[in-house]
Amino acid sequence: SQQGEEDPQALSIQEGENATMNCSYKTSINNLQWYRQNSGRGLVHLILIRSNEREKHSGRLRVTLDTSKKSSSLLITASRAADTASYFCATDLKEGTYKYIFGTGTRLKVLA
Amino acid sequence: DVKVTQSSRYLVKRTGEKVFLECVQDMDHENMFWYRQDPGLGLRLIYFSYDVKMKEKGDIPEGYSVSREKKERFSLILESASTNQTSMYLCASSPRQGTRSGANVLTFGAGSRLTVL
Repeated sequence: SQQGEEDPQALSIQEGENATMNCSYKTSINNLQWYRQNSGRGLVHLILIRSNEREKHSGRLRVTLDTSKKSSSLLITASRAADTASYFCATDLKEGTYKYIFGTGTRLKVLA
Repeated sequence: DVKVTQSSRYLVKRTGEKVFLECVQDMDHENMFWYRQDPGLGLRLIYFSYDVKMKEKGDIPEGYSVSREKKERFSLILESASTNQTSMYLCASSPRQGTRSGANVLTFGAGSRLTVL
């Protein structure tokens, strides 16, 4: 079963709007990461948040983490057409396991 | 520019053929991973390696094997390809945890799309 589940599965917004996508997971984690994947390509790392952090920012990205609810959200502000991609959350379960479990992704389409 | 290179972007093979997918990274990373990606299922871990000649099964290792003879190279082998192995295969690498900053971050290759007829 998937450790991470993103919600919604697909999202379509107008350029300039904010996009919010959510990730839920099942077991305790050390870190949660968000990745972006452009169509037919590999994934690119966006941001990492540790289990003892609640919020993190990077440019137009804002990530929150609620370990009590086992959930995270990724907010992209002032979206651009170039943000059109699939977004995945990934969790590593505990130190030293080297395993990163990915969710099923949210497909974001930003309309110009 | 650091990167992970997958040898083939697109492959078409026949059922029963032996298939090699090669992955090379130039970042001196200890950890390397093979994932497959299918619509609606996300990324699923096939195998990973945390050192030369070391490997561990991921969540879906059946029908696959791997080889890591050199630190920079991690190969995925389909001994006898089947149609249900048609998929996008993604290789990734990361530094060993605790050794340097960014140790938990995966760097991915561009992917290899395999079609088995």
